[in-house]
Amino acid sequence: GESVGLHLPTLSVQEGDNSIINCAYSNSASDYFIWYKQESGKGPQFIIDIRSNMDKRQGQRVTVLLNKTVKHLSLQIAATQPGDSAVYFCAEKGSDYKLSFGAGTTVTVRA
Amino acid sequence: GAGVSQSPSNKVTEKGKDVELRCDPISGHTALYWYRQSLGQGLEFLIYFQGNSAPDKSGLPSDRFSAERTGGSVSTLTIQRTQQEDSAVYLCASSLTSGRAGELFFGEGSRLTVL
Repeated sequence: GESVGLHLPTLSVQEGDNSIINCAYSNSASDYFIWYKQESGKGPQFIIDIRSNMDKRQGQRVTVLLNKTVKHLSLQIAATQPGDSAVYFCAEKGSDYKLSFGAGTTVTVRA
Repeated sequence: GAGVSQSPSNKVTEKGKDVELRCDPISGHTALYWYRQSLGQGLEFLIYFQGNSAPDKSGLPSDRFSAERTGGSVSTLTIQRTQQEDSAVYLCASSLTSGRAGELFFGEGSRLTVL
């Protein structure tokens, strides 16, 4: 089965609010995690990554949190904008080189 | 080009026909991946190439699927005797490294529809 999954398939957010997208993984050997954003009709685009020796990493309007104790990953988007509407995937790499993806969370931003 | 290029962007074919999907990775990227994305689903790993090493074909769903990478650059994914369940978006990605940390850059995908 999948080693990476997301808690919720959909998330509706009011424009300007913060978004939190969650992801649970089961492979404790995974040591590199990435969040991707996929807009309709396009390929996934890199948002932010984090290595397992970190528990938090910040980018522009995004923050990734990693809790290895409970094997949980989250993506926080500050001041969500209409352009943030997309499907968000978390992905992991372990002892091999394959990037394993979850099913994704569809984020819809309400005006 | 600057990014990963895939062609065709859309392909409609009849059941039983063979199809070829092409991927031009980012120049200098040694690692190349193929993924399949069915409607509303996540990405399913198909095959991985790294330099001159033997490819990892463990994700190919059947022997109707094959892929090659010529000269360490362009890759072709071939699906023989297509079936309706092969309908999906086929995504190619390349990476500068195959190591633990290495961002994958994706193309726009080739949408395959098997009638």
